Amino acid sequence: AQRVTQPEKLLSVFKGAPVELKCNYSYSGSPELFWYVQYSRQRLQLLLRHISRESIKGFTADLNKGETSFHLKKPFAQEEDSAMYYCALYSSYKLIFGSGTRLLVRP
Amino acid sequence: NAGVMQNPRHLVRRRGQEARLRCSPMKGHSHVYWYRQLPEEGLKFMVYLQKENIIDESGMPKERFSAEFPKEGPSILRIQQVVRGDSAAYFCASSQRQGAATNEKLFFGSGTQLSVL
Repeated sequence: AQRVTQPEKLLSVFKGAPVELKCNYSYSGSPELFWYVQYSRQRLQLLLRHISRESIKGFTADLNKGETSFHLKKPFAQEEDSAMYYCALYSSYKLIFGSGTRLLVRP
Repeated sequence: NAGVMQNPRHLVRRRGQEARLRCSPMKGHSHVYWYRQLPEEGLKFMVYLQKENIIDESGMPKERFSAEFPKEGPSILRIQQVVRGDSAAYFCASSQRQGAATNEKLFFGSGTQLSVL
């Protein structure tokens, strides 16, 4: 069954510290994976997509098929990064979301 | 393009009443998805619709919940005889077509916060 797992409900770091938000997936086939961000209960916004291999707001994510992971990383966290982050898998024409990780960046 | 529009933004209902949540997809989008976000939880898929058709309702509760996306007008998520456990944020998303090779598969609305008293 397709599944996305985000093991951490809350991740708290100090400003300037590195951040890694974990995401593991279960999918047979070639996955399409995304990271979405939600600020203060606003609408979800696409942060990045693994195929693009881009860096958005300093965040990157690498697909590791061997470990079935798609962790989100940023070398130096900023206070404005505080938000809910959702990893998502595109399957059967819909997005399957993980349970989300709340990132709290403290000054 | 105004994006995906949901209304109302907040909806308060008493137990036993009906809740109707509306979603107008982005212009040119004919696919609509509904997700529910319970407090402190992630987004759970509910239903996927195309115009006049329900494609996937595997996430819909078996009773009291229904969804439609008519030929004209917005998509409606209807919850009959609401209970306190229905209190959640309901998000709608739309897409242009199935498997579209776009960077952003789904565009989300701002959500409707349903509170059941």
